Amino acid sequence: QKEVEQNSGPLSVPEGAIASLNCTYSDRGSQSFFWYRQYSGKSPELIMSIYSNGDKEDGRFTAQLNKASQYVSLLIRDSQPSDSATYLCAVSSYGNNRLAFGKGNQVVVIP
Amino acid sequence: EPEVTQTPSHQVTQMGQEVILRCVPISNHLYFYWYRQILGQKVEFLVSFYNNEISEKSEIFDDQFSVERPDGSNFTLKIRSTKLEDSAMYFCASRVTVNTEAFFGQGTRLTVV
Repeated sequence: QKEVEQNSGPLSVPEGAIASLNCTYSDRGSQSFFWYRQYSGKSPELIMSIYSNGDKEDGRFTAQLNKASQYVSLLIRDSQPSDSATYLCAVSSYGNNRLAFGKGNQVVVIP
Repeated sequence: EPEVTQTPSHQVTQMGQEVILRCVPISNHLYFYWYRQILGQKVEFLVSFYNNEISEKSEIFDDQFSVERPDGSNFTLKIRSTKLEDSAMYFCASRVTVNTEAFFGQGTRLTVV
């Protein structure tokens, strides 16, 4: 079982719509959860961090965490063409130094 | 705003040559990382470094790789004898403590010919 899974294929959304991205993780001891945005040929850029169950909002972004279901999601409201990128889910576990990444979900916002 | 800086941004090397990739982590961060991303693939963990020693490494990080913190600011990744399959983007990252946000440098694109 992969540590961090992001299974859905490229997501096309019209400008102004909501983009919804999902991520599951295998280690129940995971404690920290992050969403990164990566433009083609660039490095991962931190968007959100979430540490406890529930929702966390930052501007147009909302992260949701459900530790019982081992599930973390990201909502992008009022999607803009500049949101077109690959979104990476990353998970960190206590006692494990590294950040484990999912393969990412590509989002294309159509003007 | 503090940032992780990496040099060079692009390096081309011949197969079998040694390369050193350089990183300056954010100054108050204690944990340092190297990741790589082969074109079109996921970001893969290579190694983490804390308190002047390797704290964790992946199966990718074999004997041809080494890391070093030669002074108080630089963090380097050495690939001893490069192979074609080492061609990738290499990212350095740092974080204050385990479980906090990690910040990435802009990356070094390594091309082995």
